[in-house]
Amino acid sequence: NAGVTQTPKFQVLKTGQSMTLQCAQDMNHNSMYWYRQDPGMGLRLIYYSASEGTTDKGEVPNGYNVSRLNKREFSLRLESAAPSQTSVYFCASTPGARGAFYEQYFGPGTRLTVT
Amino acid sequence: SQQGEEDPQALSIQEGENATMNCSYKTSINNLQWYRQNSGRGLVHLILIRSNEREKHSGRLRVTLDTSKKSSSLLITASRAADTASYFCATDAPSSASKIIFGSGTRLSIRP
Repeated sequence: NAGVTQTPKFQVLKTGQSMTLQCAQDMNHNSMYWYRQDPGMGLRLIYYSASEGTTDKGEVPNGYNVSRLNKREFSLRLESAAPSQTSVYFCASTPGARGAFYEQYFGPGTRLTVT
Repeated sequence: SQQGEEDPQALSIQEGENATMNCSYKTSINNLQWYRQNSGRGLVHLILIRSNEREKHSGRLRVTLDTSKKSSSLLITASRAADTASYFCATDAPSSASKIIFGSGTRLSIRP
């Protein structure tokens, strides 16, 4: 039981390049989330998926797109990377659709640098 | 926009002492959660306290919630070196129970 897994662990991109961050959970959870964490800061929600087939914007969605591929997988895409997107990205999941009522399970993070 | 804000931003104490962190929030909530993050790692859930609860314990952790003051505190008793980490509170997003909003955290350092 791996919990929440993320790939890659590290990535360096040049401005304008695109990439997809992958996230998968094996806990049969309904809801999944993508956050970014900048140095010395808390987490900010980028997008979330309350259930399979639905996605919604969080606090900082600009420059990102997401796909809830199936119940297990939730990917985050940067179409044209910018230096302001340099951050650590965390994926999380919760059992139910009402995320505030459940603990969130986090992946180990992807450290992204955009030059 | 931040819903929960922790205080202090940083705290350094001697091993064996108790550590207290506070969280204030702005709008009414259903639940409040506390998480720990060790350096370079993902967040780990510590405690969830519901709006109708006033206090909750888990091992050396004690969380209180005062909804009239819109505040919560996390107490770690008999601190250990392994407690060195950042601690975050998280509350319901305003008008949505589908997501939570994290504060900016308290960095706790335990001196040997």
